Amino acid sequence: GQNIDQPTEMTATEGAIVQINCTYQTSGFNGLFWYQQHAGEAPTFLSYNVLDGLEEKGRFSSFLSRSKGYSYLLLKELQMKDSASYLCAVTPYNNNDMRFGAGTRLTVKP
Amino acid sequence: SQTIHQWPATLVQPVGSPLSLECTVEGTSNPNLYWYRQAAGRGLQLLFYSVGIGQISSEVPQNLSASRPQDRQFILSSKKLLLSDSGFYLCAWSVGPGVFAKNIQYFGAGTRLSVL
Repeated sequence: GQNIDQPTEMTATEGAIVQINCTYQTSGFNGLFWYQQHAGEAPTFLSYNVLDGLEEKGRFSSFLSRSKGYSYLLLKELQMKDSASYLCAVTPYNNNDMRFGAGTRLTVKP
Repeated sequence: SQTIHQWPATLVQPVGSPLSLECTVEGTSNPNLYWYRQAAGRGLQLLFYSVGIGQISSEVPQNLSASRPQDRQFILSSKKLLLSDSGFYLCAWSVGPGVFAKNIQYFGAGTRLSVL
């Protein structure tokens, strides 16, 4: 089976840094994705990792370790608008197949 | 640029009634197309995906079906809705097959379906 685990909820303070972890156990690996989803809206693509290491994109960075089946999304200089659910997803061998974790609901407080 | 349209935004249907949700993509050719369902507070569950006209793969056996009558059109249907069909339905597209395709999926705005 395919297992993708991430914390259910996290809380952080405006201006701070938060790290959202994701661990996965899948039959294969062809890429890991992070999506942001505001309440009642569709997910929007944030980042993609297929090789080990850190990918930086503005205030958001994503890290991958394939040997550990582990990724994290790092959000810097948190803003109130960052309050949302963050979904970790993995594509196993088949490029048409993407498996999503249940998502981490992040609340940013003043 | 590519855009994805999904309608309706919200839908309230009685149990036993039929369902038809439509999704269209503009600005790209031969996309991969997907239907997902998201129950309240849950992750995304892949229902169907399609790599071409008339080609549908089902991930979860249920009373839903999907069709792709045109290259950029994807339809989700049911003959008789169940209470358990309530949820947030999302259509998505990605670039068609290729060695370097990252399979980044882009989502439509979603349809919130309530079956009463």
